[in-house]
Amino acid sequence: RKEVEQDPGPFNVPEGATVAFNCTYSNSASQSFFWYRQDCRKEPKLLMSVYSSGNEDGRFTAQLNRASQYISLLIRDSKLSDSATYLCVVNPAGGTSYGKLTFGQGTILTVHP
Amino acid sequence: GAGVSQTPSNKVTEKGKYVELRCDPISGHTALYWYRQSLGQGPEFLIYFQGTGAADDSGLPNDRFFAVRPEGSVSTLKIQRTERGDSAVYLCASSKTGSASGANVLTFGAGSRLTVL
Repeated sequence: RKEVEQDPGPFNVPEGATVAFNCTYSNSASQSFFWYRQDCRKEPKLLMSVYSSGNEDGRFTAQLNRASQYISLLIRDSKLSDSATYLCVVNPAGGTSYGKLTFGQGTILTVHP
Repeated sequence: GAGVSQTPSNKVTEKGKYVELRCDPISGHTALYWYRQSLGQGPEFLIYFQGTGAADDSGLPNDRFFAVRPEGSVSTLKIQRTERGDSAVYLCASSKTGSASGANVLTFGAGSRLTVL
């Protein structure tokens, strides 16, 4: 079983749609959770951190369920510019104080007019 | 510099050759990482430097891979006797500190795309 699993998609949605991505992780000792965004042939960039209480940044909402070891990302009112690969990311090493991150394989999102 | 700089952006080599990939992190970032991303996959951790020392090299796949950071700034990833399976994008990242609060906020470079023929 992979340490971080995501549905690779692709997800094809029209502008204005709401789309949700899910991710599961295997290491229950994981401490930190993130969503990164990666545009085609570009480097990954941090989209947002994910907290147990859930957090929102504009049209983006992230949720963490530690009991189920499940992370989600919700994008509302999709824009063409949201088209990218979304990477679920976990720092798996309970207590590691550096960025040894484990990435999922990514979920491809295409938003069309 | 303003961002993480990696050179070369593209490298094509033949099987068995030696390759060096360079990373220049953001000025003042003490933590530096190398990751490798194969097609259709997420990045995989290779090695972490805190200052000049390799604090965690557990992700290096075998002894053909080696990395250095002699002055605590620029790092070089070295691959000996390259194999076709080494073809991937090699990503360098840096972060401000080794503490948990800032360490996970990695800034990645654009990567070096290595193709081994």
